[in-house]
Amino acid sequence: TQTVSQSDAHVTVFEGDSVELRCNYSYGGSIYLSWYIQHHGHGLQFLLKYYSGNPVVQGVNGFEAEFSKSDSSFHLRKASVHWSDSAVYFCAVSLLASSSFSKLVFGQGTSLSVVP
Amino acid sequence: GGIITQTPKFLIGQEGQKLTLKCQQNFNHDTMYWYRQDSGKGLRLIYYSITENDLQKGDLSEGYDASREKKSSFSLTVTSAQKNEMAVFLCASSPGPGGGAETLYFGSGTRLTVL
Repeated sequence: TQTVSQSDAHVTVFEGDSVELRCNYSYGGSIYLSWYIQHHGHGLQFLLKYYSGNPVVQGVNGFEAEFSKSDSSFHLRKASVHWSDSAVYFCAVSLLASSSFSKLVFGQGTSLSVVP
Repeated sequence: GGIITQTPKFLIGQEGQKLTLKCQQNFNHDTMYWYRQDSGKGLRLIYYSITENDLQKGDLSEGYDASREKKSSFSLTVTSAQKNEMAVFLCASSPGPGGGAETLYFGSGTRLTVL
């Protein structure tokens, strides 16, 4: 069974600070990892995705995430946050399935608050 | 670009009532999904559909029905609303049948309140 764990329910940082949102997963096979962002009152929007290659992937608005197989992690980072980055961030994992549907499994979400 | 439209944005029903949530997408995507979002619990898949008239149960399908009569629309019915069903229901779509490998595009949700 795939599981996704986001250990921090809430993170608060000051504008201009760096932030890291943590995501750990449990699955041993070939997987896709992704991050989505949800602003208040809206649906989720795709940020970035990793399957293979360079373990650091770049997303929109200065976000990046780093895959670590040894740690079973896919943490999201931003060097300098803006107040508009305040939102809920979801990590998701899915199996690489060649012949059948493979669903996304989402973590519980981390609420990021950026204080001016 | 496209958009996913969910109606209504807010739905208030009585316990035991049958309630229907609607979703339209103009991406021309093959696959559509219904997720339930409870505070602190992430998203859980209720139903998905990989093409018109196809329906597949997700992890949380009990108590729900779905319908995909057209490629562009996917509706979800709560067969008998319960108070513990108060949540936000999110509709999403993706281009092909691959599911996990694809990017999902989400609507802004329907917030269900059961009195």
